[in-house]
This record gives sequence, C-alpha cells and structure tokens, in this order.
Amino acid sequence: DVKVTQSSRYLVKRTGEKVFLECVQDMDHENMFWYRQDPGLGLRLIYFSYDVKMKEKGDIPEGYSVSREKKERFSLILESASTNQTSMYLCAIDGTYEQYFGPGTRLTVT
Amino acid sequence: AQSVTQPDIHITVSEGASLELRCNYSYGATPYLFWYVQSPGQGLQLLLKYFSGDTLVQGIKGFEAEFKRSQSSFNLRKPSVHWSDAAEYFCAVDDSGAGSYQLTFGKGTKLSVIP
Repeated sequence: DVKVTQSSRYLVKRTGEKVFLECVQDMDHENMFWYRQDPGLGLRLIYFSYDVKMKEKGDIPEGYSVSREKKERFSLILESASTNQTSMYLCAIDGTYEQYFGPGTRLTVT
Repeated sequence: AQSVTQPDIHITVSEGASLELRCNYSYGATPYLFWYVQSPGQGLQLLLKYFSGDTLVQGIKGFEAEFKRSQSSFNLRKPSVHWSDAAEYFCAVDDSGAGSYQLTFGKGTKLSVIP
C-alpha cells in the first residue's frame, strides 16, 4: 500500500510564526503536491514538485514556500503565519494514474 | 482554464435509496476524470477514474460513474446508499493530459445519510 505521512494531524500556531508542514512518502514517486482545503472552496493547489529541488507554483502560492531536498520528503513552509492561513493542508503524491493523499494537517493560526 | 462544477453543495438521502452526484467540467479535449471521497477527518481516497474506452466505469464501494461527452458530465451513482457512505465527494479533472499530474477539483458535495 502507498503510504503518505504528514507530520502532524493538528497544529496551532501564533500569527507571525514560521511554520513547517512535513510530508513523507514511501513509494519513490517523483511528483508531490501540497493542497489547501477550505469549506465551500474544495482543494486548491499551492505548490508541487516533480523532482528533488524542483518546484512549481500552483494556483495559490502566495504566503507559502516549499522545500524538497530528498525525494521522499516535501515540506510546506509558512514564512510568517497569518490567520487567513488557518485551513486543512493535504499532501499528495502522483502514483500510477491517481493521486494518493495523506491524512491532512489541520492548522489553526491564532 | 479548466473548471469543474459540482452543482450540489449538500445532499441528504435515506439509507437504501439511490444516489447521483453531479459533476460538469469545461475542457477542450477528452479529459481524465476522477471521483474522490473524503470521510470526516481523513484524506481523500480514489473511488474511480475515467481515461478512455467504456464510458461507464466501476469503482470501489459499489460506485459507478458515466462519462457523457455531449453533456460534459461525469456523474457518480450508487444504487443503494449505506450509512457509511456519508462523506464529502470531490470530482476532479486532469489539467496536464498526463493522467493525474495536475488535478483541478470541484468544490465538493457533502452527502448525509438518514438511517
């Protein structure tokens, strides 16, 4: 079974803090994705990576950055967290004709 | 730009009743189409996908979907709903034409099931 692990299920941070969300896969897949999920808006792509040290902006990259130093790990970084970044964050990898999702991290910024 | 529309935000059905969730897309070519399900507090799980061939595709948990090019639709159906089907359902379209490289998701339909 494909396994996509996210470092935290729930996270509470203060405004202005630097926040790291980690995603780890065990399947040696090249493509990894970070989505943000908000009620009534569905999933929106923040960033994706198609190889180590490679990244591409998605639909809503503002306020976020990413890091992929190793193939199995893709990090989403909030340089200075704001309350409008309170959301559910989902990591996914691109498998054989489907994307596999992690369980999500629910981030609250106060 | 491609878009996916799920017209129903919330649907409530009785257990044992049939279900149809609607999905319409805008895309020039024949798209790759997906339905995902998200149970409360969980990530997304693939129910089924359409790439080509037979326009009626079977998925897991007794779900099926039909691709209708003339209507730009990919509606999800189940003949008899179970209480465990209560979840949020997302339709998605591949943007890249490469299978599942870049997906555009609809806003989701939340399904409630009355015992």
